[in-house]
Amino acid sequence: QKEVEQDPGPLSVPEGAIVSLNCTYSNSAFQYFMWYRQYSRKGPELLMYTYSSGNKEDGRFTAQVDKSSKYISLFIRDSQPSDSATYLCGMDSSYKLIFGSGTRLLVRP
Amino acid sequence: DGGITQSPKYLFRKEGQNVTLSCEQNLNHDAMYWYRQDPGQGLRLIYYSQIVNDFQKGDIAEGYSVSREKKESFPLTVTSAQKNPTAFYLCASSSRDSNYGYTFGSGTRLTVV
Repeated sequence: QKEVEQDPGPLSVPEGAIVSLNCTYSNSAFQYFMWYRQYSRKGPELLMYTYSSGNKEDGRFTAQVDKSSKYISLFIRDSQPSDSATYLCGMDSSYKLIFGSGTRLLVRP
Repeated sequence: DGGITQSPKYLFRKEGQNVTLSCEQNLNHDAMYWYRQDPGQGLRLIYYSQIVNDFQKGDIAEGYSVSREKKESFPLTVTSAQKNPTAFYLCASSSRDSNYGYTFGSGTRLTVV
């Protein structure tokens, strides 16, 4: 079993839709949770970073962490075609960041 | 501007050759990392270093080597022992003193010819 599981998609939604991206994990030692966006042939860019259970909001993005269920989510409101990318969840304990396999998102105009 | 610089952007290697990928950061981050990404897949950890002159193997270290002689630099050598080196290589750095997670470079695409 992988330490971090993420549905690879692709996920196709119409412009303006609310997108929900999810990851589950098995290692209860993970303390820091991140979401990255990666455009094709580019390095990942950090979207959200959190270290506690609950919600964290930044503009159209909301990150949700449920440590008791070992489950994290990223919600994107009012999705735009420019949001089309691969979204990677990352989890960290002791200076070692482990990624999910990434979910490819396509937002149709 | 602070950031991570990876070079070269594209690299071609002949069978049996060693090649070295460069990674430099001016963020004053303590920890640095190398990841490999294959098409349509996530990032897999090759090596990481928490402090100068110290590094640890990640999940797929076989066929790779690193050094950390300076805080700013963490070069990765892909040796001839790596049987399938064609991939996208990403370098990252992090600091516990910030809430900015891990910062990534723009990557090096290595192709075996």
